[in-house]
Amino acid sequence: GEDVEQSLFLSVREGDSSVINCTYTDSSSTYLYWYKQEPGAGLQLLTYIFSNMDMKQDQRLTVLLNKKDKHLSLRIADTQTGDSAIYFCAERDGGSQGNLIFGKGTKLSVKP
Amino acid sequence: EPEVTQTPSHQVTQMGQEVILRCVPISNHLYFYWYRQILGQKVEFLVSFYNNEISEKSEIFDDQFSVERPDGSNFTLKIRSTKLEDSAMYFCASRWAPGEADTQYFGPGTRLTVL
Repeated sequence: GEDVEQSLFLSVREGDSSVINCTYTDSSSTYLYWYKQEPGAGLQLLTYIFSNMDMKQDQRLTVLLNKKDKHLSLRIADTQTGDSAIYFCAERDGGSQGNLIFGKGTKLSVKP
Repeated sequence: EPEVTQTPSHQVTQMGQEVILRCVPISNHLYFYWYRQILGQKVEFLVSFYNNEISEKSEIFDDQFSVERPDGSNFTLKIRSTKLEDSAMYFCASRWAPGEADTQYFGPGTRLTVL
């Protein structure tokens, strides 16, 4: 079945760029998403990219999509301590009513 | 900005009891979802709901679970006889009104603890 994989941990220094990577298996996915989850909180939609795009930039966030390799990345420029959270990659299940398939999440730790 | 709300934020129950988790999706959204996240694990899809009926459900969503949209605003998840393994964070989500980008918005979640 469809699957989404992410590395579990990433540690960066404040001010550096963070790059969180994700691979997915469903080539029919139309949308791919990044969600942020702070401790004890819900899932906050950060950004999304449509499958016919290669790149999307939104302020400090840059999403890159390599559809051939089924690879998605999220770059956070000038990472701040407030960016410390778990970041979930998700793909829209191509054969469904919009259900999302999530990765396990990457825990980003930002050190001052 | 419109948001999805969920109540309660935390529910503690005894094994075998029924619980109802409540959600108010974003008004004018047409699709509604429940997901759950067992501690330390992936967020998993449970069920989707459209046009007043279930449109899709996962293997997790067995006969113990049911969903309802009792009025124009609430969307509920009922677990008839809770088991220890039902302990998880339950997220409600909604998406799409005509003209909107196809994105799902999640509520803050209800933490269900079954003792």
